[in-house]
Amino acid sequence: DGGITQSPKYLFRKEGQNVTLSCEQNLNHDAMYWYRQDPGQGLRLIYYSQIVNDFQKGDIAEGYSVSREKKESFPLTVTSAQKNPTAFYLCASSIVGLESGSSYEQYFGPGTRLTVT
Amino acid sequence: LAKTTQPISMDSYEGQEVNITCSHNNIATNDYITWYQQFPSQGPRFIIQGYKTKVTNEVASLFIPADRKSSTLSLPRVSLSDTAVYYCLVAPILYSSASKIIFGSGTRLSIRP
Repeated sequence: DGGITQSPKYLFRKEGQNVTLSCEQNLNHDAMYWYRQDPGQGLRLIYYSQIVNDFQKGDIAEGYSVSREKKESFPLTVTSAQKNPTAFYLCASSIVGLESGSSYEQYFGPGTRLTVT
Repeated sequence: LAKTTQPISMDSYEGQEVNITCSHNNIATNDYITWYQQFPSQGPRFIIQGYKTKVTNEVASLFIPADRKSSTLSLPRVSLSDTAVYYCLVAPILYSSASKIIFGSGTRLSIRP
C-alpha cells in the first residue's frame, strides 16, 4: 500500500524539550511539506522540500527545523524556541514534474497531534 | 500571491446539491485551482483540480469562469458523510517557491438529515 505515514499519532512533551515528528512516504514523490493546523483554523506551511537536501521556509518556520537526507523521509523538529508548539501537524507529499494527465495534488498523512505542557 | 476567500460555513440537507465558491481575484496565469476535503483530526484529501471552464470527476464538479477570479465546487446530492471542511488552494502546479503554497481558512459544510 502506498502512502504517507506519520508517527506517533499523539505526542506529549514538556515545555523546553525539542521533539521530532516523523514523516515517511513510499509514493516516490520528490516534494514534501509540513503544515501546522490550530483548532478551527486552516493549514499553514512550515517547510517545503522540492528535492533531497533542499528545503524552503514557509510562513511560520521560526522555531522549527527539518532535514531531507532521503527522498522518503522529511522529519520535523519542534524546538524549544517555538513559543506555542501545541498543534496538529500534517505532512504531505506530491510529484514534481510535467506529466500529462496527472493531477498535482498533495497527499496528506494522518497527522500528529502534539501537546506541550 | 493569490489569496483566497471562502464562506466560513454553509448548511444544507441530504440529497441537495451544494455549491461552495472561492474568490481569488489576483490569480496568476500559471495558477491552478485545487479543492481539498478535511474531516476532523485527519489530513486533507484531494477532491478536484482545474485551470479553466469545467472539470468533473466521480465526486464533484469544478466551475471556473473565463476571468478565473473565482471558482465553484459543486457537490451533487450530498450525504451526511460530506460534512467536512473544504479548502480552496490557488497555486502553480509546480511550486517554485514555498510562498506560493497558501491554504485559505476553509468552508465548514454541515449536512443535516
